[in-house]
Amino acid sequence: DAKTTQPPSMDCAEGRAANLPCNHSTISGNEYVYWYRQIHSQGPQYIIHGLKNNETNEMASLIITEDRKSSTLILPHATLRDTAVYYCIATGSGNTGKLIFGQGTTLQVKP
Amino acid sequence: EPEVTQTPSHQVTQMGQEVILRCVPISNHLYFYWYRQILGQKVEFLVSFYNNEISEKSEIFDDQFSVERPDGSNFTLKIRSTKLEDSAMYFCASNVPGQGYNSPLHFGNGTRLTVT
Repeated sequence: DAKTTQPPSMDCAEGRAANLPCNHSTISGNEYVYWYRQIHSQGPQYIIHGLKNNETNEMASLIITEDRKSSTLILPHATLRDTAVYYCIATGSGNTGKLIFGQGTTLQVKP
Repeated sequence: EPEVTQTPSHQVTQMGQEVILRCVPISNHLYFYWYRQILGQKVEFLVSFYNNEISEKSEIFDDQFSVERPDGSNFTLKIRSTKLEDSAMYFCASNVPGQGYNSPLHFGNGTRLTVT
């Protein structure tokens, strides 16, 4: 699995877009980028994943650079309930789904 | 939406005692996992389980740990003789095989194990 680098913490104003960056410069061609979040000691929650193309679902958008060395998770209208630790994980299809969590980014959404 | 459920939510045990943590994965899922998170630290992979056998385990998952799927719905983690350092949140997760990728893991809300 490729190493990922995320800022340790970020703030965002409620109602504004939260843009969470992730570097994965050693990602290989078959590795997907996954985003999970963990709200205050609850179980991690899947948000979104992608390979090359930008992706959007009801929770967020994922923008992956053309060289795939970095990505950005976008929460379009952050709410206080989006305050959580956000994890970016790059992993390939070769394993059965084991995830290696880093320290993630602690996002604090402020009123 | 289907959920992974874990029981109990909090377990207190004395050092040296055996504990069993229980999980009910999502019904059509085929891969099952245990993770743990010591307070203030990262979420750590313990073990993955598929087709009634362990498919991968970490260095943490030593002989004190075992997993079992005793019936069609439960998935358990047993710690044979608990140590103080086993105190942590234990998360169960499950998923289905993806098609060319790893389908997202669904996590339960964990069991907080406190060893005294």
